[in-house]
Amino acid sequence: GNSVTQMEGPVTLSEEAFLTINCTYTATGYPSLFWYVQYPGEGLQLLLKATKADDKGSNKGFEATYRKETTSFHLEKGSVQVSDSAVYFCALKGGSNYKLTFGKGTLLTVNP
Amino acid sequence: DGGITQSPKYLFRKEGQNVTLSCEQNLNHDAMYWYRQDPGQGLRLIYYSQIVNDFQKGDIAEGYSVSREKKESFPLTVTSAQKNPTAFYLCASSMGREATDTQYFGPGTRLTVL
Repeated sequence: GNSVTQMEGPVTLSEEAFLTINCTYTATGYPSLFWYVQYPGEGLQLLLKATKADDKGSNKGFEATYRKETTSFHLEKGSVQVSDSAVYFCALKGGSNYKLTFGKGTLLTVNP
Repeated sequence: DGGITQSPKYLFRKEGQNVTLSCEQNLNHDAMYWYRQDPGQGLRLIYYSQIVNDFQKGDIAEGYSVSREKKESFPLTVTSAQKNPTAFYLCASSMGREATDTQYFGPGTRLTVL
């Protein structure tokens, strides 16, 4: 079955530091890959997505590239801000499968 | 403004009671979903519905029930049979069920059993 593994947190960075959150997956066929962000007490917001190999998703300075050869979709940002503090979830949706399969989430705290 | 609304934001239930969580969307999406989130965990699928009057069990459906009488509404009932119902419940919708269809989430309902 499908599965997602993302690096365990928490991750604590200083403002303007470089961020990488690792995500690897196992899936049959050609899944779509997503990063969602969850701020405290809120629902999930789509951050970015990629639907085929070598696609790069980007939004608000965050980027992730769909790497089929390494089955990875690592999230990066060149310079984090305090407002980026949140939980980040990597997820995949495979073929005509109805559901999203999520990683366990990574808590990011950015200090001023 | 298009989006997904969930109510109430906080819900308290005594043991042995059924409670119903509301989910409404005005995105004209065909598919709707209910997920459960526990601290430090990813989300787990409870039920999903692809069209009106049809729904299927997800990974953890025991102790829950749903209905889909209208396209825009997908209420979830947490029954007394659910052994550990305290959690954060998230509703989502998508245009369809294809892999490229993005799921959009509501703000969630936090249920606490007293």
